[in-house]
Amino acid sequence: GQSLEQPSEVTAVEGAIVQINCTYQTSGFYGLSWYQQHDGGAPTFLSYNALDGLEETGRFSSFLSRSDSYGYLLLQELQMKDSASYFCAVPAGGATNKLIFGTGTLLAVQP
Amino acid sequence: KAGVTQTPRYLIKTRGQQVTLSCSPISGHRSVSWYQQTPGQGLQFLFEYFSETQRNKGNFPGRFSGRQFSNSRSEMNVSTLELGDSALYLCASSLVAGPNEKLFFGSGTQLSVL
Repeated sequence: GQSLEQPSEVTAVEGAIVQINCTYQTSGFYGLSWYQQHDGGAPTFLSYNALDGLEETGRFSSFLSRSDSYGYLLLQELQMKDSASYFCAVPAGGATNKLIFGTGTLLAVQP
Repeated sequence: KAGVTQTPRYLIKTRGQQVTLSCSPISGHRSVSWYQQTPGQGLQFLFEYFSETQRNKGNFPGRFSGRQFSNSRSEMNVSTLELGDSALYLCASSLVAGPNEKLFFGSGTQLSVL
């Protein structure tokens, strides 16, 4: 089967840097995505890593190590609006959009 | 460009009833998928449609069904509702179907079964 594990909660202060880890077990691997979801809102796409290394998009960066079946999302210069749930996800593979989502990490940013 | 629209936003039903949820994808998007989100199980894939054909189905009972129309709009139906069906049902669309596709989600329909 396929599974992704994330810490359930992370707390940080405004202006700090936080890292949210994701470890996965998949039968095939097509890349790792990250989505953000504010309470009661729609999940929104943040990043996608198909190859090893770091991808940077503004304050957010995502890292992948395929050999370790591990990735992380790095959020810099934290703002209150970053308080949300963050999900890692892997595609099921093939000609499908099916995603297998991680358990989700609730990030609380404190003043 | 308008985002993914789901209606209704909230729904309250009683056990045994059935419910139909609607999803309008982003204009031009032909792939629509549905997810169930609960505190205990997280985000779980229900099914995926592309050009009116179901391409994939998750591990849910037959009470859960869906369809896609020629304009790419999609509906999902749950019959004989159970208390455990209470969840946020999310619809996502993308241009095409593929493992690298970025999904655009709607805000969901919050279903409460009493």
